[in-house]
Amino acid sequence: AQSVTQLDSQVPVFEEAPVELRCNYSSSVSVYLFWYVQYPNQGLQLLLKYLSGSTLVKGINGFEAEFNKSQTSFHLRKPSVHISDTAEYFCAVSATGGQNFVFGPGTRLSVLP
Amino acid sequence: DGGITQSPKYLFRKEGQNVTLSCEQNLNHDAMYWYRQDPGQGLRLIYYSQIVNDFQKGDIAEGYSVSREKKESFPLTVTSAQKNPTAFYLCASSLLGTGGSAIYFGEGSWLTVV
Repeated sequence: AQSVTQLDSQVPVFEEAPVELRCNYSSSVSVYLFWYVQYPNQGLQLLLKYLSGSTLVKGINGFEAEFNKSQTSFHLRKPSVHISDTAEYFCAVSATGGQNFVFGPGTRLSVLP
Repeated sequence: DGGITQSPKYLFRKEGQNVTLSCEQNLNHDAMYWYRQDPGQGLRLIYYSQIVNDFQKGDIAEGYSVSREKKESFPLTVTSAQKNPTAFYLCASSLLGTGGSAIYFGEGSWLTVV
């Protein structure tokens, strides 16, 4: 079974500052890793995914994430945030060969003017 | 455009009533899912289906029922047995058999008990 931990439930940051949202996972098998964003009253939108290969993955809206197998982490970063990035962010994993997705509890990013 | 359509966006239910939330996808995805999200909370899996006419219970299936008569459709019925149904419901879908398919979501449906 897999599990996902997002250590920060809320992250406030000023506009144009960098941000890192942390995600750690636990699994006895290889996994695929995903980050999703949810704006108020909307569904989740895929930001990026790691399947294999380069450990640095670039996604939409200027976000990127780095897979670290030894630390079982997949932290999300953006060098300069905008007000419009205010949303809930979810990290998720799925086992290779499996199809069930396990989501973390989410991190609420609040970008302040 | 391809995607997942949920309807209605907002639904009100009286005590003791069953209600059905619709979910249709035109992505030709094999698997479909229903999640429940309470305000400020994460996602909890209600049911999922990997093939037509087959589905499995998730973590919180009690008080809910589903059907999968067509590949494109996966309606969720919230029965009167669900004691606290007020929540945001998300339908999702994904491919099977390909490595690393992401899961894609609809826009969600708000259900409120009045």
